Amino acid sequence: GAVVSQHPSWVICKSGTSVKIECRSLDFQATTMFWYRQFPKQSLMLMATSNEGSKATYEQGVEKDKFLINHASLTLSTLTVTSAHPEDSSFYICSANQGTGQPQHFGDGTRLSIL
Amino acid sequence: ELKVEQNPLFLSMQEEKNYTIYCNYSTTSDRLYWYRQDPGKSLESLFVLLSNGAVKQEGRLMASLDTKARLSTLHITAAVHDLSATYFCAASGNTPLVFGKGTRLSVIA
Repeated sequence: GAVVSQHPSWVICKSGTSVKIECRSLDFQATTMFWYRQFPKQSLMLMATSNEGSKATYEQGVEKDKFLINHASLTLSTLTVTSAHPEDSSFYICSANQGTGQPQHFGDGTRLSIL
Repeated sequence: ELKVEQNPLFLSMQEEKNYTIYCNYSTTSDRLYWYRQDPGKSLESLFVLLSNGAVKQEGRLMASLDTKARLSTLHITAAVHDLSATYFCAASGNTPLVFGKGTRLSVIA
């Protein structure tokens, strides 16, 4: 079945560091991918919609200069958290779907801890 | 703006009893999804409901959709410990998925 791969699964780094997270669709092409953030015991909050070959669409309140999204190919989207601070610590999850009416498949998530 | 409300948010279930989780959404939605999340893990797709009256079943879980009432239900039959997890419903129209707050299920003996 369709699989979305996310890497890395766990990152611990110092404040001020930039962190890149990759999201790959392994056996299908995804013109659109989604990036979510989930704080402990809360629901998923959509951060942005990643569009292949064009700029990402960010949700209200999400800083586009802090959370850089690149969707350079039909199977890869990246999220870079620039100059990360402790308040950016969270569980980041990407997703993609194969087409209309199909379920979104989620990556395994990346747990980001900023010290 | 599409909003999704789930209830209850917490559910402590006795083994072998039946329970229902409710998911209401505020505006017309093309699709309704149910996901399961185990602690520390990502989301696992359970059901996709595409039309009014749709009913899907997998094991002890059954999901249904009433688009007129803008309501989906997830029914749990004869709960077992393996079902302990957080369950999310999500809806979408011409927008990306909007998630409910999730229902944290615990099955107790």
